[in-house]
Amino acid sequence: EPEVTQTPSHQVTQMGQEVILRCVPISNHLYFYWYRQILGQKVEFLVSFYNNEISEKSEIFDDQFSVERPDGSNFTLKIRSTKLEDSAMYFCASGKSASGLQETQYFGPGTRLLVL
Amino acid sequence: AQSVTQLGSHVSVSEGALVLLRCNYSSSVPPYLFWYVQYPNQGLQLLLKYTTGATLVKGINGFEAEFKKSETSFHLTKPSAHMSDAAEYFCAVSGSGNTGKLIFGQGTTLQVKP
Repeated sequence: EPEVTQTPSHQVTQMGQEVILRCVPISNHLYFYWYRQILGQKVEFLVSFYNNEISEKSEIFDDQFSVERPDGSNFTLKIRSTKLEDSAMYFCASGKSASGLQETQYFGPGTRLLVL
Repeated sequence: AQSVTQLGSHVSVSEGALVLLRCNYSSSVPPYLFWYVQYPNQGLQLLLKYTTGATLVKGINGFEAEFKKSETSFHLTKPSAHMSDAAEYFCAVSGSGNTGKLIFGQGTTLQVKP
């Protein structure tokens, strides 16, 4: 069964450094998402991406964050200058249909980011 | 704005007992509701979803949930717990707009005792 994959599984970085989290969505999916979960808190929506552009972003997704689908298969989340509060589990998800509202989102296993 | 509240961050049941995980939502538009499960070191996996139609929804692994509009609830149940059901469970609602973003509850950790 196709699945969403994410690399790396764990990332430790120094505050102020740039990190890139990578995701390979399911191949025929059209909608892509990033969520994050700070330890002990809710899973929070960061951004959705469709047709090579951001379709919606949350207040968390400020200028330090960017997303890209560089080659038609990978979907990346970049944090330009990490802060301590960026430490979290980051989940990538993808959905099949253009009408994303009720479609199932398939989640990857997550990347645990620790900012020191 | 939409929101989800899961009552009880931890639920403990004995093997074979009924599982009931509570979820209440707030939505100004007809909601689409989801239950996801997360096993240790894995991603979120869809258990079941309600979009339209029948309000009792059956999912994988013997779970089901009932959409009750009057109570704004979407509680998850399973008649008989199995040790393998121990995991974290998340209730979610689709946000307004058409991007499909999910708004999650806090999650409930289910412990199953032998």
